[in-house]
Amino acid sequence: QKEVEQNSGPLSVPEGAIASLNCTYSDRGSQSFFWYRQYSGKSPELIMFIYSNGDKEDGRFTAQLNKASQYVSLLIRDSQPSDSATYLCAGALGNTPLVFGKGTRLSVIA
Amino acid sequence: GAGVSQTPSNKVTEKGKYVELRCDPISGHTALYWYRQSLGQGPEFLIYFQGTGAADDSGLPNDRFFAVRPEGSVSTLKIQRTERGDSAVYLCASSLNGPGTGELFFGEGSRLTVL
Repeated sequence: QKEVEQNSGPLSVPEGAIASLNCTYSDRGSQSFFWYRQYSGKSPELIMFIYSNGDKEDGRFTAQLNKASQYVSLLIRDSQPSDSATYLCAGALGNTPLVFGKGTRLSVIA
Repeated sequence: GAGVSQTPSNKVTEKGKYVELRCDPISGHTALYWYRQSLGQGPEFLIYFQGTGAADDSGLPNDRFFAVRPEGSVSTLKIQRTERGDSAVYLCASSLNGPGTGELFFGEGSRLTVL
């Protein structure tokens, strides 16, 4: 069974610090990975996707993928209180539906 | 509308009743997904449509759950003989292409409470 594992947190970081969110997956064939942000009571929204090993940067966000270790991470630089949310990691194998982790709750303290 | 629309936003029902949840995807999106999310958990896949047909229904928990998308646009998730364990937020999402190739756009969800 395909599984995506995340530490549920909460992860607390001070404003301006780097937040590091981690995710591991069980299906070695998974090819694409997505990070969704979900504010309390709201629906998930995509913030990053990554297909290749290495780093991918978009503004304050960096996604990292290591397929050998089956590990995906999301770094948020200069964390802001508005980044406080639950971050969901999801993986897909080819054109199969996304499998989501349970999410990590991030709290950025002003 | 511009986004994925789900109705009702809230539904309270009694154990054993029948429930229908509706999803109107973004215009032009061929793929439509149903997920459900319980408190403190990530979205759990239920079923995925490509056009009118169910491309993958492996996530439906049992035969009380059924979904249709007769014209390739609006979809209805149907739950028969509801049980208290069915209580969750049911999320619908759509995407322009298949699930692994692009962004899923989620609706605001239908919160189902079974008493």
